[in-house]
Amino acid sequence: GAVVSQHPSRVICKSGTSVKIECRSLDFQATTMFWYRQFPKQSLMLMATSNEGSKATYEQGVEKDKFLINHASLTLSTLTVTSAHPEDSSFYICSASRDRVSGELFFGEGSRLTVL
Amino acid sequence: DAKTTQPTSMDCAEGRAANLPCNHSTISGNEYVYWYRQIHSQGPQYIIHGLKNNETNEMASLIITEDRKSSTLILPHATLRDTAVYYCIVSGRGTSGSRLTFGEGTQLTVNP
Repeated sequence: GAVVSQHPSRVICKSGTSVKIECRSLDFQATTMFWYRQFPKQSLMLMATSNEGSKATYEQGVEKDKFLINHASLTLSTLTVTSAHPEDSSFYICSASRDRVSGELFFGEGSRLTVL
Repeated sequence: DAKTTQPTSMDCAEGRAANLPCNHSTISGNEYVYWYRQIHSQGPQYIIHGLKNNETNEMASLIITEDRKSSTLILPHATLRDTAVYYCIVSGRGTSGSRLTFGEGTQLTVNP
């Protein structure tokens, strides 16, 4: 079964509003989670690394004030797309590692955001 | 992280083995080779990973060349459900899991 869960799976919002996406590790604690974005017919692009209890680390070119990440507990990271615009419409995916030895990442089901 | 090169697309007949190549000529000694796949509109799924030895699990086999500059993912008996984009990723392993950078991957289409 799924070990990383995202909510909501689909969200439609009006331009200018903010949208929050949750990522939960279901049966393990994740001090680090990763957020990706994927546009149609493109590969996944790493946006940021979410660190429990500290600030997220953003990839070059990703606006930290636009994409707010909060990792308040060992099982939950949230991504908030602030003042969303149509160009923010995308598939957002989170991931976490359950096993530090293997380094294997488990991915959530993804959240499809459509901004009207 | 080392860059990888994969064919854009491949076809395979159902029931036959699918062999997906990946070049990673700039891989460094402490970097692992990971394979993930993504079925349309879903999150990626871990398949297998290795450092220098060949690896096998219930899903696939990973063959890494002796010089580690390339590898091949083998799905021994491909099914229609194996149709997906397959990503070969090379990355060092951090203490909190791997920060993986995805390339374009290979679109594998399994035909009946």
